[in-house]
Amino acid sequence: DIQMTQSPASLSASLEEIVTITCKASQGIDDYLSWYQQKPGKSPQLLIYDATSLADGVPSRFSGSRSGTQYSLKISRPQVDDSGIYYCLQSYSTPYTFGAGTKLELK
Amino acid sequence: EVKLLESGGGLVQPGGSLRLSCAASGFTFTDFYMSWIRQPPGKAPEWLGVIRNKANGYTTEYNPSVKGRFTISRDNTQNILYLQMNTLRAEDTAIYYCARDYPGPMDAWGQGASVTVSS
Repeated sequence: DIQMTQSPASLSASLEEIVTITCKASQGIDDYLSWYQQKPGKSPQLLIYDATSLADGVPSRFSGSRSGTQYSLKISRPQVDDSGIYYCLQSYSTPYTFGAGTKLELK
Repeated sequence: EVKLLESGGGLVQPGGSLRLSCAASGFTFTDFYMSWIRQPPGKAPEWLGVIRNKANGYTTEYNPSVKGRFTISRDNTQNILYLQMNTLRAEDTAIYYCARDYPGPMDAWGQGASVTVSS
């Protein structure tokens, strides 16, 4: 199975910061990497797919990038509504695997 | 508008069985793979398996963690996805989601069905 090591587990950020969450894949996944945001009691919502493509309706302050097998989600000037838990998902090979999640709190 | 609506969740005793349904609308159901994902309380989601589209013969693949106990099927005349779960254990307690899959990312998820395995 491909392991997705996500960090940090949690972070607290101000509205002026740039927030970066990373997921490192245990092997190459050919950019089959998605990012999701989940709010309490709700299903995960797609933010980024194919590592860098913005999903429909997602604000442009969200962006994705890759360096080697490390994938990053960046939130530029986050809003209070961006609080929640963020997960990465690799869909390169089965079983698809998720990162452990990053809990984001906005100060 | 793409909609996915799970049903069939509930309380079941250890060793019991349950079948979840996922009613799909707003897209051509047979064009898409469909996946099941679960999320135990306070934990990350876990992908359970996928059933492929018409072009790929509706074949299935499963996470080894549930292979042999869980079965995914689909009714393409009624646009319904199923998850048959047998020999349930306490650790199967979770919210179960269906999601639209390939081609494209898992871009649409249902609201989830709660399954509790307890005596």
